[in-house]
Amino acid sequence: GAGVSQSPSNKVTEKGKDVELRCDPISGHTALYWYRQSLGQGLEFLIYFQGNSAPDKSGLPSDRFSAERTGGSVSTLTIQRTQQEDSAVYLCASSLGGSVSGNTIYFGEGSWLTVV
Amino acid sequence: AQSVTQLGSHVSVSEGALVLLRCNYSSSVPPYLFWYVQYPNQGLQLLLKYTTGATLVKGINGFEAEFKKSETSFHLTKPSAHMSDAAEYFCAVSYSGGGADGLTFGKGTHLIIQP
Repeated sequence: GAGVSQSPSNKVTEKGKDVELRCDPISGHTALYWYRQSLGQGLEFLIYFQGNSAPDKSGLPSDRFSAERTGGSVSTLTIQRTQQEDSAVYLCASSLGGSVSGNTIYFGEGSWLTVV
Repeated sequence: AQSVTQLGSHVSVSEGALVLLRCNYSSSVPPYLFWYVQYPNQGLQLLLKYTTGATLVKGINGFEAEFKKSETSFHLTKPSAHMSDAAEYFCAVSYSGGGADGLTFGKGTHLIIQP
């Protein structure tokens, strides 16, 4: 597709269940980012992939959160044993390269997660 | 640590009036600065960015922002508001110039346009 694609667009899950959120970046983009957007909290960086380098996981809030990127393209963000505080919009973004000064970061529409 | 402060979680202006959304950053080194807009149920879209060079940056939809080092500010303006400008606006800053680990967002300002 022309833009960053995320699925599901909406997910309601029960507390304690695991969820997987998928991101298809723009074709050819080597950099991929996950952010979390909570009400009134702005955007919180979660994880960053650049090419074949080891991902920057410094933003993951707990060990219940993990992400992988297969074949340098599609990425999956997994949240295990979900908690109510995990309810948020999870945004994926991609860019042609890793330099934020020289490359525009394109965002997907997000996956809205509600934990009940 | 880098930080971004957006003054006012909500800003309301009349259609046709000046739009001013404030953004201040903390830094001891020159930053890269960005404004993003998020329309309802959509992802973020880059409005404009400052990296180097001219401090007055023009973006899409008639928006512009000026980098003022002495004030550590990067306020977003538009001379005449349009109803379609109603959205959430995010200021962001990066110092590393490389990778999303250096991109820090403010908490956002919700722009309301009164008819």
